[in-house]
Amino acid sequence: GENVEQHPSTLSVQEGDSAVIKCTYSDSASNYFPWYKQELGKRPQLIIDIRSNVGEKKDQRIAVTLNKTAKHFSLHITETQPEDSAVYFCAARHPNDYKLSFGAGTTVTVRA
Amino acid sequence: NAGVTQTPKFQVLKTGQSMTLQCAQDMNHEYMSWYRQDPGMGLRLIHYSVGAGITDQGEVPNGYNVSRSTTEDFPLRLLSAAPSQTSVYFCASSPPLLETQYFGPGTRLLVL
Repeated sequence: GENVEQHPSTLSVQEGDSAVIKCTYSDSASNYFPWYKQELGKRPQLIIDIRSNVGEKKDQRIAVTLNKTAKHFSLHITETQPEDSAVYFCAARHPNDYKLSFGAGTTVTVRA
Repeated sequence: NAGVTQTPKFQVLKTGQSMTLQCAQDMNHEYMSWYRQDPGMGLRLIHYSVGAGITDQGEVPNGYNVSRSTTEDFPLRLLSAAPSQTSVYFCASSPPLLETQYFGPGTRLLVL
């Protein structure tokens, strides 16, 4: 099955700086890559996703890039704010499968 | 729409007890799944269902049973609780032909 690795496990950034989280996947056929944000004590919520026919997608301060050749994708958060502090999960999905395979998560702390 | 709902929010069990975690969605989603979340391990798939009457095992199915008699409900049963099943459990659903998964609020389970 699909194996997703996520780095780093923790990330501390100064408010206003950028944060980057990277994920690698094992199955080259995977074609859907979502990112979820989970605030403390809350449910994971989708913040952005990308499909394999697109190399980059942006939504305000967040962006995701995909490198199919290297089998990795990254989440970029610019101009970080205290409300960006949360755990972020990447995931990957094979086209013949309904299941999502999740990374282990990155705890992001934005220092004021 | 209430979205994805889960009950109870919190439960304490003794080793060997059984219980059912409830999950319901009112969005007519075909796909439903159960995850457990443990520190540093991300979200691991327990069981999933692609429609009423159809269920399948995920990554960590041992000790859990599921059934899907209706589109709306997808209960998770712990047959004989063990301390290793102490975790936060999330139910999720997604509509047909779309990959986005919507998570419920979670159930925090403590097995003593």
